[in-house]
Amino acid sequence: DTGVSQDPRHKITKRGQNVTFRCDPISEHNRLYWYRQTLGQGPEFLTYFQNEAQLEKSRLLSDRFSAERPKGSFSTLEIQRTEQGDSAMYLCASSPGGNEQFFGPGTRLTVL
Amino acid sequence: AQSVTQPDIHITVSEGASLELRCNYSYGATPYLFWYVQSPGQGLQLLLKYFSGDTLVQGIKGFEAEFKRSQSSFNLRKPSVHWSDAAEYFCAVGRFGNEKLTFGTGTRLTIIP
Repeated sequence: DTGVSQDPRHKITKRGQNVTFRCDPISEHNRLYWYRQTLGQGPEFLTYFQNEAQLEKSRLLSDRFSAERPKGSFSTLEIQRTEQGDSAMYLCASSPGGNEQFFGPGTRLTVL
Repeated sequence: AQSVTQPDIHITVSEGASLELRCNYSYGATPYLFWYVQSPGQGLQLLLKYFSGDTLVQGIKGFEAEFKRSQSSFNLRKPSVHWSDAAEYFCAVGRFGNEKLTFGTGTRLTIIP
């Protein structure tokens, strides 16, 4: 299967710890997106890359959050000093362009 | 700013019955519209999309949706649901030149035998 993959699928951490998630997009897709989904809500846009350039960031992405896509392939999303409010599903999507986005299975983060 | 409203939080239908899930959007120009389905603990799968042209679009798994500009709606339909259709359904809107999608809060579909 050559879909979007995310690792880990589940992460449990204690408040104040740092966590990092990885996303591997579909290989020929140059656009990569991160969304956050809390319980009972739809996904909310966090940030977007075209190749290695981060072109847009949501106001939801506080200074504790950082995302990278160093070689225009995989991407990482790091959350520093996690808070209980960071508990959510973090979804990655990729696209060849034109708004059609293909989503990965997500990383479920639980902050204790 | 673009927004999406899914007025039904939860819908229950009998297996074999028809289905219509409602979606209303707010956006000044012609939007790009999508329906995604999410099974528990999983990511989102694209069911269908509307960019332009024919306002009735066909998707996977027997789903279709109709874009009605006058009503700012993009309702999802299926003539006969199957137990495997039980999931969460999300409507989303995007626009040309802006990469982010804005999602509704979703409609949870329960199928009863």
